[in-house]
Amino acid sequence: DAKTTQPPSMDCAEGRAANLPCNHSTISGNEYVYWYRQIHSQGPQYIIHGLKNNETNEMASLIITEDRKSSTLILPHATLRDTAVYYCIVRVNTGFQKLVFGTGTRLLVSP
Amino acid sequence: ETGVTQTPRHLVMGMTNKKSLKCEQHLGHNAMYWYKQSAKKPLELMFVYSLEERVENNSVPSRFSPECPNSSHLFLHLHTLQPEDSALYLCASSQARGGAGPNEQFFGPGTRLTVL
Repeated sequence: DAKTTQPPSMDCAEGRAANLPCNHSTISGNEYVYWYRQIHSQGPQYIIHGLKNNETNEMASLIITEDRKSSTLILPHATLRDTAVYYCIVRVNTGFQKLVFGTGTRLLVSP
Repeated sequence: ETGVTQTPRHLVMGMTNKKSLKCEQHLGHNAMYWYKQSAKKPLELMFVYSLEERVENNSVPSRFSPECPNSSHLFLHLHTLQPEDSALYLCASSQARGGAGPNEQFFGPGTRLTVL
């Protein structure tokens, strides 16, 4: 599986957009980019995933660069409840998923 | 509510005890997972069951014994644990597919285990 690199922590003001970057320069053609988050002491929560096109759902937007070597998760209007650790994971999208979690980015949303 | 439940939510046990963690998913998925999250460490995959067969065992010590009696239930049997096994144990499920398609994992709330 391709390795990902994320900043250890980020801050964001409530109501502003939070842009969380992820580098995955060794990603292969059939690997998807997945984002999960983990609010303190809870199980991780799936956010979004994509292959090469930008994706948007009710939680967030995912922007993947044309060369697919990096991506950005965007929370358009961050709230205090978005404070969590955000994980970027690269994985093929078939069969069962063996997710390899790194240390992620700890996002702190402040009033 | 993610459709994945875990019981108990908290467990304290001695090193000589035998206990079991239970996970149940109500999503119709065919793959289930156990993860361990120790303090200040990333989640570690322990076991994977796909179609009720164990397909992954990440070098987990034998004092942890998984069981998957059907596609909706997953157990983790614990015996003679060590204090360093204290952690948050998370269960997840997904729909294993042969082709491309949404394949996200849904996690339960976890069991906070303390070994004295």
